[in-house]
Amino acid sequence: SYELTQPPSVSVSPGQTARITCSGDALPKKYTYWYQQKSGQAPVLVIYEDNMRPSGIPARFSGSRSGTMATLTISGAQVEDEGDYYCYSTDGSGNHWVFGGGTKLTVL
Amino acid sequence: EVQLVESGGGLVQPGGSLRLSCAASGFPFSAYWMTWVRQAPGKGLQWVANIKQDGGEKYYVDSVRGRFTISRDNAANSLYLQMKSLRAEDTAVYYCARYRAIDYWGQGTLVTVSS
Repeated sequence: SYELTQPPSVSVSPGQTARITCSGDALPKKYTYWYQQKSGQAPVLVIYEDNMRPSGIPARFSGSRSGTMATLTISGAQVEDEGDYYCYSTDGSGNHWVFGGGTKLTVL
Repeated sequence: EVQLVESGGGLVQPGGSLRLSCAASGFPFSAYWMTWVRQAPGKGLQWVANIKQDGGEKYYVDSVRGRFTISRDNAANSLYLQMKSLRAEDTAVYYCARYRAIDYWGQGTLVTVSS
C-alpha cells in the first residue's frame, strides 16, 4: 500500500525556520495537504494543494514540492506553532488517501 | 460556519458493532465528498473511508474493508460509519471530515473496543 514518509520530530528555536518534509512516490502527480494538530484538538488545515494557504493561517506557513518530496516551511516559528504536523495525499489512482506518520514540532 | 458533529462512539466488546453518525451544517452537504479519519490513542491519523456526493463511489483502507460501511443521507445532511466485527485495534477517535482533500474536521468521537 502507498506510504508517505515524514521525520518523527523537528526542533527549532523561536524565530528560526522549521522545515518538515514528506516523501511519496505519487507526489509529483498528486497534491499534498498539511495539517496541524495540537494536543487534544482536531487537526487544522494549514496548506492545501502543495502551496496554498487557507484564510486565517499566518503567512509564516508555506508549502512547496520538488519531485517526490513536499515540504512545509514555518518561517520564524513561534512557540504556539508547536504540535504534530501531518502530510496527506492520495495514491496514483486518486481513490485511496493516506497520511504521513506525523512530525512533532518543538519550538523552544 | 461549517460544522461537523460526530456521535455514536462508546465502549463495545470485540466482535461487536457500532454505528457512528456525523451531522453536517453550514454548507451544501450533498455537493461534497465526505471522509472518515481515525486516530488511535497516542498514534497518528489514519484515513478510513470516503464517499462520493451521491453515495455511488465508496473507498476504504484495507484494514476495514468488508467490516466497515460508509453511507450518507443527503436529505438529513448526515454521514454514517457502520462498524462490524470490531477489534481492539479499531480503538480510536473517529473524525468526520469534509471533502476528500479534507478542509474541515469534526471534533471526533471515541470508540473503545475492549472486553
